[in-house]
Amino acid sequence: QQQVKQSPQSLIVQKGGISIINCAYENTAFDYFPWYQQFPGKGPALLIAIRPDVSEKKEGRFTISFNKSAKQFSLHIMDSQPGDSATYFCAASTLSGAGSYQLTFGKGTKLSVIP
Amino acid sequence: DSGVTQTPKHLITATGQRVTLRCSPRSGDLSVYWYQQSLDQGLQFLIHYYNGEERAKGNILERFSAQQFPDLHSELNLSSLELGDSALYFCASSAGQSTNYGYTFGSGTRLTVV
Repeated sequence: QQQVKQSPQSLIVQKGGISIINCAYENTAFDYFPWYQQFPGKGPALLIAIRPDVSEKKEGRFTISFNKSAKQFSLHIMDSQPGDSATYFCAASTLSGAGSYQLTFGKGTKLSVIP
Repeated sequence: DSGVTQTPKHLITATGQRVTLRCSPRSGDLSVYWYQQSLDQGLQFLIHYYNGEERAKGNILERFSAQQFPDLHSELNLSSLELGDSALYFCASSAGQSTNYGYTFGSGTRLTVV
C-alpha cells in the first residue's frame, strides 16, 4: 500500500500558537519522510525531513516527530506566524523500479495563521 | 528561484489537442520527475528520467509521454486532451536517482483544457 494519509485538511491557528499536522503510512519500506511547503503559484519546497531511525528532528520552529511502531509522523510549527500560511504536504519515499526513488505525497493541509 | 525552470507557466487549450510542457533541471541535476497536481488527487507521480533514461512510471496515462534530452531538459507531451487533464504539472530535479536528499520543484505549468 503506497498511501500516505494526512490530516487535517485545513487548519486555522492564532499567531504564536502551535500548528500540528499528522501523517500516517502503511508501507514499511518507506525510508525517508520529508515535509514540503507550498505557497500559491509556487512549487512545493522542501521544509524538513527525517529518516525512520530518528524519533525527532528540529530545525528552527519546525519539528518532525516520528513514531515508527505506529507508522505515524507529524509536523509541529512552533510560534506560528502569518508568513507560515501555506499548504503543507507530508511525503514518503522508497526505492521502486530500476533504482528510482519516488515520493508519495499526502493530500496536503492548508494552514492559515491569523494575527 | 528554485533553479528548475518550467515553461510555459500557463496553457489553455481545447479538448482533443496536444501540448508539450518543458522542464530545465537545476544545473548538475541528472534526474527529472514529473508530477500532476489536482485538487482531488493531490500530487501524483507521473514519470522519472535519469540521465536520459526512463527509470520509473507512476500514474501516467497512455496519452501522456515524456523524454529527457542529452542536455538534460525534459518534455512532457499530453495528447488527446480531456477536461479532466486540467491540472498543475510540476517537474522536479535531483542530483541522483535518490529522493533521499530532497528534490527541487519548479513553479509548474497550469494547464486548462476547455
